[in-house]
Amino acid sequence: DAKTTQPTSMDCAEGRAANLPCNHSTISGNEYVYWYRQIHSQGPQYIIHGLKNNETNEMASLIITEDRKSSTLILPHATLRDTAVYYCIVIIQGAQKLVFGQGTRLTINP
Amino acid sequence: GAGVSQSPSNKVTEKGKDVELRCDPISGHTALYWYRQSLGQGLEFLIYFQGNSAPDKSGLPSDRFSAERTGGSVSTLTIQRTQQEDSAVYLCASSEWGGQGARGYTFGSGTRLTVV
Repeated sequence: DAKTTQPTSMDCAEGRAANLPCNHSTISGNEYVYWYRQIHSQGPQYIIHGLKNNETNEMASLIITEDRKSSTLILPHATLRDTAVYYCIVIIQGAQKLVFGQGTRLTINP
Repeated sequence: GAGVSQSPSNKVTEKGKDVELRCDPISGHTALYWYRQSLGQGLEFLIYFQGNSAPDKSGLPSDRFSAERTGGSVSTLTIQRTQQEDSAVYLCASSEWGGQGARGYTFGSGTRLTVV
């Protein structure tokens, strides 16, 4: 699986858009970009995933660059409940296990 | 049940003792995974079960760790002769086979193991 690089931590003001970057320069053509988050004392939670097109759901938007070497997760109106560690994972669809990196610790400030 | 259930939620044990951690996956989910998370660290894959296939044990850190899944449902992770470095949160996840792939993981809240 391709390696990902994320900033260790980020801060964002409540109500603003939180933009979390992820670099995956060695991604291959059949690998998807997945985002999970882990709120304190809970297990990870799926957010969104994509292959090459931008994706949006009720939680977030995912912007993938044309060369697919990087992506950005966007939380459009961050709330205090969005404070969590966000994991960007690159994986073949249907792969047997998720491999988590260190993620980005996002803190939403009031 | 509605989610993945793990028990106990907390376990304190003395060094050298054996412990068993239990995971009840979502009904109908054929795949089950164990991860552990040490304090301030990321999630470390331990083992994966899929139906009747041989489990993927590639993440087990030592032969003191073992896991089984009975009847394709409940799973037990056993740690023998516990050491202080085994202290961590042990997370279980389940998913449907194929289809949603990595989207379909549902994690439990974990068992916090403390070895004293």
